[in-house]
Amino acid sequence: DAGVIQSPRHEVTEMGQEVTLRCKPISGHDYLFWYRQTMMRGLELLIYFNNNVPIDDSGMPEDRFSAKMPNASFSTLKIQPSEPRDSAVYFCASKPLSSGNTIYFGEGSWLTVV
Amino acid sequence: AQSVTQLDSQVPVFEEAPVELRCNYSSSVSVYLFWYVQYPNQGLQLLLKYLSGSTLVKGINGFEAEFNKSQTSFHLRKPSVHISDTAEYFCAVENTGFQKLVFGTGTRLLVSP
Repeated sequence: DAGVIQSPRHEVTEMGQEVTLRCKPISGHDYLFWYRQTMMRGLELLIYFNNNVPIDDSGMPEDRFSAKMPNASFSTLKIQPSEPRDSAVYFCASKPLSSGNTIYFGEGSWLTVV
Repeated sequence: AQSVTQLDSQVPVFEEAPVELRCNYSSSVSVYLFWYVQYPNQGLQLLLKYLSGSTLVKGINGFEAEFNKSQTSFHLRKPSVHISDTAEYFCAVENTGFQKLVFGTGTRLLVSP
């Protein structure tokens, strides 16, 4: 299996622009997670989906952030408008059904907002 | 809600020396525990996990961890480290029956010759 695939790997954008991060989870996995990693706050869970349905979005920082999962093989995380404090590494991860299963991470999308 | 504390932000150690990375968790229900490793510019990958059974869990690359319920700890150990073990290590906890994995702040292991 190709693993969790994220794009873009790196993005530099200007403040105020819209940013869209994309994720393709591992085929057959039931859960998809979006995490954000920064030096200050570590790894934060932003939102997760079960069978394409958002279950918990309590970690989404504010209304500028939105996430969708239109089908089992694709998800997006959108920031509009972007701000410099959104600069971080955004990880997508997926896992099969059942608590205790391993979560598999993508390589991350490195976002810099200038 | 569950939480994880990794007290050491950075642990320097010489090659071939033993190392222990500490992890304590807090939860009102039973938990599953994980250690993940992150090499520079990469995603996280699983080192080992505790679900049930033996409290001593062995993982990849010679790492092991021991679950101690009374002390709510899950410390990671390796008897002899290599330069290639230099990475960030994350402890994580999942409340049994739930899917949400909460991570600690990470410990950077620096192995020098």
